[in-house]
Order: sequence, then C-alpha cells, then structure tokens
Amino acid sequence: EVQLVESGGGLVQPGGSLRLSCAASGFTVSNNWMSWVRQAPGKGLEWMATLKPDGSEGYYVDSVKGRFTISRDNAKNSLYLQMNSLRVEDTAVYFCVRSGGAVWGQGALVTVSS
Amino acid sequence: DVVMTQSPLSLPVTLGQPASISCRSSQSLVSSDGNTYLNWFQQRPGQSPRRLIYKVSNWDSGVPDRFSGSGSGTDFTLKISRVEAEDVGVYYCMQGTHWPHTFGQGTKLEIK
Repeated sequence: EVQLVESGGGLVQPGGSLRLSCAASGFTVSNNWMSWVRQAPGKGLEWMATLKPDGSEGYYVDSVKGRFTISRDNAKNSLYLQMNSLRVEDTAVYFCVRSGGAVWGQGALVTVSS
Repeated sequence: DVVMTQSPLSLPVTLGQPASISCRSSQSLVSSDGNTYLNWFQQRPGQSPRRLIYKVSNWDSGVPDRFSGSGSGTDFTLKISRVEAEDVGVYYCMQGTHWPHTFGQGTKLEIK
C-alpha cells in the first residue's frame, strides 16, 4: 500500500527549530517529486517546498526560503523538512505529499508559541 | 507568484443536483512541455486532502465519474454532475506549472 507517515511535530518557541520526517512505503521517494504543504488552523492549503527526484535542487515559497530545508534519506526512504527560525505564523499542520498531490500523509501539527 | 482565484467560496447544493466551481489563474498554466498542470483536490472535514483531477481533466484512481474537470489557459472548472452527501468538504485548485506552486482559496461545498 502506498503510504506517507509524518512525525516530528510539536510545540516550539519562536526562533526555535524542528525537523519533520515523512516515512514512505509502497513506492521509492528518490524516484518522485516530493513536497511539503501546510495548512494553518482553519485556513487553506499553502505549498511550501519541493525536492526534485535527483535530489539536486529544492524549490521553496519565499516566506520560508533560508529558514526551511527539504531533504531526503534514500536508505530510509524518507523525506524531511528542517525548520529553523520558526515564527508564530508557521503554526500549521504540515503534510508530506508525493508527485503533485497524488498521495498525502496524515499531517503533523507544528505549534510555534511562547 | 501565480494567483489562483476560486468562485464561489461557499457552495450550498441540494442532494442530486449539479455543482460547479471556477478557478482562474493570473497567468497561463500551459507549461513549456505543453502540459497544463492544474489539479483539483477535495478535503473532507478532519481529513487530509485527496487529489481528484490532475492536468485539468484526468481522474485519479477511485474518483467517481460524477466529477469532471475542464478548461484551458487561465480558466478552469470542476463539475459534479449529481452531488452526494459524501461530497461535503472544501475543494481546492492548484497550479503546478510555475514556482512557487499555488492553491486557490478553497470552495466549501455544503448540502442545502
């Protein structure tokens, strides 16, 4: 079964860091475009970042450039999102997504608050 | 960034009746490879989004054929031929042609 499972969410203070993980099963992460999409409480969807299949380049929305980094571990078949310098407005559920939205994880809640 | 504008934002529909959602982009979504990367997603209450339609008019696996997508360039439409109770939720269009990818604001479908 094709599945994505996120982990690593939680409560962090403004200015802090967090790393989200996304474990894939049923397909190979390194053969796919993989993305992170977030949804603030009660709000719509916002695309965050995408990693090319060859892993050579990541694309980011301007609001997270320089603060967030998308990466993967081929051996673990997993995708990651390193989030630094977190802001209150980064509070959201973060979804791991395969290939233009074909498969979504259940989401991981990140709360940035003092 | 490409702005995706959906209408209406709220869509009350009677069971068994058709429904239609419009999505307009601020730039053409025709890619240099000739494809148009316009997708439609459904998000039921409390669930993760699910892709219904990709590249304007292609059904994802398991999507009922009462859903259909059409359009070209900057103007796109999602239609539901006969609304069922399980269709309640929020619908989003998303463009994947230009970086950054962007979503519409969402259209909330409810049963009248």
